[in-house]
Parts: sequence; structure tokens; C-alpha cells
Amino acid sequence: GAVVSQHPSRVICKSGTSVKIECRSLDFQATTMFWYRQFPKQSLMLMATSNEGSKATYEQGVEKDKFLINHASLTLSTLTVTSAHPEDSSFYICSAREGGAEQYFGPGTRLTVT
Amino acid sequence: QKEVEQDPGPLSVPEGAIVSLNCTYSNSAFQYFMWYRQYSRKGPELLMYTYSSGNKEDGRFTAQVDKSSKYISLFIRDSQPSDSATYLCAMWDYKLSFGAGTTVTVRA
Repeated sequence: GAVVSQHPSRVICKSGTSVKIECRSLDFQATTMFWYRQFPKQSLMLMATSNEGSKATYEQGVEKDKFLINHASLTLSTLTVTSAHPEDSSFYICSAREGGAEQYFGPGTRLTVT
Repeated sequence: QKEVEQDPGPLSVPEGAIVSLNCTYSNSAFQYFMWYRQYSRKGPELLMYTYSSGNKEDGRFTAQVDKSSKYISLFIRDSQPSDSATYLCAMWDYKLSFGAGTTVTVRA
């Protein structure tokens, strides 16, 4: 149990375009979902926390107008990187929590902006 | 000072050896302690999850928590090449705080 999926696993886009990444909890209802960013050989950096049906809470320094998060249902959250630039290239990982402290992570999405 | 300190390594051990990983923390409010394993270009996988001080065992993995010293450990017995990965400690007080991760290589 406790499986989280992400789609797509890899995406390449041109500078200035927008990219949407989906995160789904497959076998549980996620009251809270999280979006992280990870640079090579570094730990995970929390970008935002979202609860179903309410606005996401962004960490300091994360542009909410650039990284749009929607948590439309208890099993789906989306991250849209708007007007992507090469510096947005990174590994984006979502995680989900049912109600306790345990968080289950998706496999990640590698975004490359050319 | 970071809330969670973890030596990034790298750590290289021969197959069959015991791998010893640890983290220290400064925030007394942390209530839950976890260890994640992350293979290259994959999402972290939850390995161990503990709440109280003491030991918790799961197969070849043992997690230790010492709240009085603000110190947690993960031991991997009879290590295998498939254990080669980055191990992240994480602590929770309504949100997870991660250590830097320790890269482990188990040599066949």
C-alpha cells in the first residue's frame, strides 16, 4: 500500500512554456500533499504544502505565481511550472500524507527546460 | 545551525558489513523520526518510522532514537550491493525536515 505516482517521469520543454506535473495517491486518500525540488547531490527542498480544497502554502522564496499548485481531490495534486526557464530545470518530487506523520513519495519528475 | 545534521559521506563498505548511519537534531519539538532510502533519480522510499526513544527492528534494518541526546541512527546488517543508495533521515513536527543524506556504496 501507500503508493504515490507522478506523471510525467521526464519532460523537456522550451523556455517560456508551461509544464504541468500530476501527483496521485493510488491506494489512500491524501489529506495533505507536498511538492519538493531536488538539485543533484542535494537534499529535498520543500516548495509548498497543499490540502485538498484549499490554497497551497508556499515556503519562503518560492514564487507562487510561477509554481501553481492545485489539490483538486483527495487523490490528485498538480504542479504547473509557468513560463519555465532553464534555471527551473530540476527534479520535482511530490509526497502525500493520509493523516499521520508518514509521508510517501512519488518517483519524481525530471524537468529540463531548453 | 541546521535543524538536522547528517554527514553526507560518501560511505563505502564491503558486502556483508554493517552500515551505520546517524543524524543529530536541535529541535526538541520533533515527534516522529524516519529514514528514507533514495536510489539515483528516484523518489525517496520510507524505510523506518519511529516515535519514541529506543530501538525498532525490521529485517536487516534497525533504527535507534535517543531523544535525550537528540541523536538517531540507522543500522543495516549484512549489507548487500542493492543497499547502495542515499539514505536520508527525516524528522517531523507537522512538517518533515530532512538531513542532507548519506551516500552509501556496498562493494561486492
